[in-house]
Formats: sequence, structure tokens, C-alpha cells
Amino acid sequence: KNQVEQSPQSLIILEGKNCTLQCNYTVSPFSNLRWYKQDTGRGPVSLTIMTFSENTKSNGRYTATLDADTKQSSLHITASQLSDSASYICVVSPSDSNYQLIWGAGTKLIIKP
Amino acid sequence: NAGVTQTPKFRILKIGQSMTLQCTQDMNHNYMYWYRQDPGMGLKLIYYSVGAGITDKGEVPNGYNVSRSTTEDFPLRLELAAPSQTSVYFCASSPSTGGRGYTFGSGTRLTVV
Repeated sequence: KNQVEQSPQSLIILEGKNCTLQCNYTVSPFSNLRWYKQDTGRGPVSLTIMTFSENTKSNGRYTATLDADTKQSSLHITASQLSDSASYICVVSPSDSNYQLIWGAGTKLIIKP
Repeated sequence: NAGVTQTPKFRILKIGQSMTLQCTQDMNHNYMYWYRQDPGMGLKLIYYSVGAGITDKGEVPNGYNVSRSTTEDFPLRLELAAPSQTSVYFCASSPSTGGRGYTFGSGTRLTVV
């Protein structure tokens, strides 16, 4: 069964600190993996997209990694800011479906001043 | 550029009532989607459309209907509302498939009592 599991479920860190969020998936065959940021009361916004051949992709203070062999991804946030408080969602697209996306439940990140 | 606009933002329905959630996009995207997001769960695809006049079921279509008479509009109809339909509903559009270029609306929070 295609699944995406994220950990931790929630995380509280102090402003300025770094953190890493984890994503494990069992989706096969694999097309791409996205990380989304979802602010409270808003729709998800894409941070990065990675295909099978990409190991690392950065977007400002966000760096995503992908290990397609172990089917794991991580999202590292550097020098966190209060505006980083949000849910971060890992989404995997199987290559045998144009429309199905497998969504993780997300990690709720709270940045405290 | 408004992107994807959803109305209403909040709604309370009584069991058995019906309503239509509106979704409009101004990006001329062919592909549009309706998702529901339940607490602690990943987004689930309800219906999608690949262009005007063409719609298809997603993972959880029961209790819902859609239509796509124009490229811009993709309304979601709830008939005979049930408590299990209490959720946050997101409309999204994309210029292509495979999980790329999704733009989400800000959501409709629906409570059925």
C-alpha cells in the first residue's frame, strides 16, 4: 500500500535553532517527492520538488534531501524564524498515476521566541 | 493575480442539508482538484478535472459531485450532508500533472451538525 509517514508529529524549537523533519515512504513506482509548507488556515505551498536522481535541493533556508534507495527524505530548516511556524507536509507522486498524490499527515513546527 | 479562490471560508450545515463549495482559478490551468483534509491525516483527493467538461473520481468521492463547465470554475456539491463530511476542503489547480505546479486555495472549513 502506498503510504507516506512523517516524524515527528510535532516539534517545538527556539528561534534561531536548526531542525530536521523526516519523511519515509513506500510509494512505488516513484516519480517525485515534494515538501509543502502549510500555514494555519491556508492552503499548502510548495517548497521543493525532487525527482529520483536528485539527492539534495535547497530553497533559501530550507534544504531537502532524498535517498531513493531507502525511500527516505528529510527537510532541514536552518536558523529558524517565527514565520517558519507551520505544518510541513511530505507528498509523493507515483509514476503510474498522473493525478494521485500520496500525502503525509505533516509535522507541526512551532518556533518560540 | 488572485490564483485559486474558494468561497465560503467557513460554513456550518445541518445533517441532510446541501451546499456548493465554489472554486475559481485565473491561471488558465487545465487541471483542477478537490481535496479534503481531516485532522491528523493527509489530504485525500475527492474529484479532479483535466479540462472543461471532463471530471473523474478520486479516492473519496462518495457524497460529493462536481462539474466543470468552464476552465476557471470547479464547484463541489455536497448532497445530504453528513457529520463524516466535517472537514477542511481545498481546491487546487495545476498546469500539468504528476504533482508539479499545484496552487491551492485557502480552504473552506465545513462543519456538519
